[in-house]
Amino acid sequence: AQSVTQPDARVTVSEGASLQLRCKYSYSGTPYLFWYVQYPRQGLQLLLKYYSGDPVVQGVNGFEAEFIKSNSSFHLRKASVHWSDSAVYFCALGASSSFSKLVFGQGTSLSVVP
Amino acid sequence: GGIITQTPKFLIGQEGQKLTLKCQQNFNHDTMYWYRQDSGKGLRLIYYSITENDLQKGDLSEGYDASREKKSSFSLTVTSAQKNEMAVFLCASSIVTNSGNTLYFGEGSRLIVV
Repeated sequence: AQSVTQPDARVTVSEGASLQLRCKYSYSGTPYLFWYVQYPRQGLQLLLKYYSGDPVVQGVNGFEAEFIKSNSSFHLRKASVHWSDSAVYFCALGASSSFSKLVFGQGTSLSVVP
Repeated sequence: GGIITQTPKFLIGQEGQKLTLKCQQNFNHDTMYWYRQDSGKGLRLIYYSITENDLQKGDLSEGYDASREKKSSFSLTVTSAQKNEMAVFLCASSIVTNSGNTLYFGEGSRLIVV
């Protein structure tokens, strides 16, 4: 069975500080991995995805994530956060088949404070 | 580009009432999904549809019906609304490419049961 764990329900960082949001997955095959962001009263928007190749993937707005197979992790990073990054971030896992449902983590609520 | 439109944004109903949420997409995607989002619990899949007139149960299908009469639309019915079902319902669509199955989401519909 596939699963995704985001161990931090809430994270607070200061504006300008660096950020890491953690994501661990459980899946025996080759995963497709995604990070989505949800701003207040909106749907989810894709930030970035990994499906093969370079384990460090770049996304929108300066976000990046690194796929570490040995650790079953796909942590999201940003060098310097802005107040507008305050949102809920979801990590998601898809199986390496032609079609698969995505399994989502529980989400991490990020607050960026002055 | 495309868009996913969910109607209504807010659906207020009485306990025991049958309530329907609608979703339209103009991406021309084959697959559509309904997820339920509860605070602190992430997204849980209710129903999905791989093509017109196809329906597949997700992890949370009990108490719900779905309908996919056209490729562009996917409806979800709460068969008997309960107060513990108040949540945000998210519709999504996707197409399979060589980089996996990426989902695109609508803005959500909030169900309120009085």
